[in-house]
Amino acid sequence: SYVLTQPPSVSVAPGQTARITCGGDNIGSKSVHWYHQKPGQAPVLVVYDDSDRPSGIPERFSGSNSGNTATLTISRVEAGDEADYYCQVWDSSSDHQVFGGGTKLTVL
Amino acid sequence: QVQLVESGGGVVQPGGFLRLSCAASGFTFNSYGMDWVRQAPGKGLEWVAFIRSDGNNKYYADSVKGRFTISRDNSKNTLYLQMNSLRAEDTAVYYCAKLGGAWYVDYWGQGTLVTVSS
Repeated sequence: SYVLTQPPSVSVAPGQTARITCGGDNIGSKSVHWYHQKPGQAPVLVVYDDSDRPSGIPERFSGSNSGNTATLTISRVEAGDEADYYCQVWDSSSDHQVFGGGTKLTVL
Repeated sequence: QVQLVESGGGVVQPGGFLRLSCAASGFTFNSYGMDWVRQAPGKGLEWVAFIRSDGNNKYYADSVKGRFTISRDNSKNTLYLQMNSLRAEDTAVYYCAKLGGAWYVDYWGQGTLVTVSS
């Protein structure tokens, strides 16, 4: 089955740029979606189809996807961005949706 | 606005069963695929099942295939998850989720907790 690999944690100072990676075999050929989840809350979509943003998501959130790695970039990080972040794809070979293991973003 | 309200969670013994429901509103329910996604305590998100807008295609995670059944009633704007032969490892918050375009979730419910314990 298809596996998505994320770093367990990323730390960044306020105002700096955070980059969260999502690795998978030829992930560049798939559409990657990103969610954040704060404690006790449901996940929220922040990027879909590699790099599109839903309405209401700040431009500070952006995505890219190429080769074996997709990346969520958060510019000018704020304390409120602290959350768990998950990448997700649809694996057509198995007809399964797949989530990465999640990355905890800590704002120092 | 889109609302997804889950119900039916609770405590059940191993080997038991539960049926979760998700009442949908604020969008044309019969036009969208729907998911169930779960999250064990302190763990990450795990996709459970998908059903197409017309109910004719269903896919399941390997961990639940043969034990869980996803269904929908488009006349009642309601999504279901029948869970049989429950195991301790099925303990989780179960989220009802609406799919947007290409297999991403654009709206989530608040979740319902299922605890499998003797």
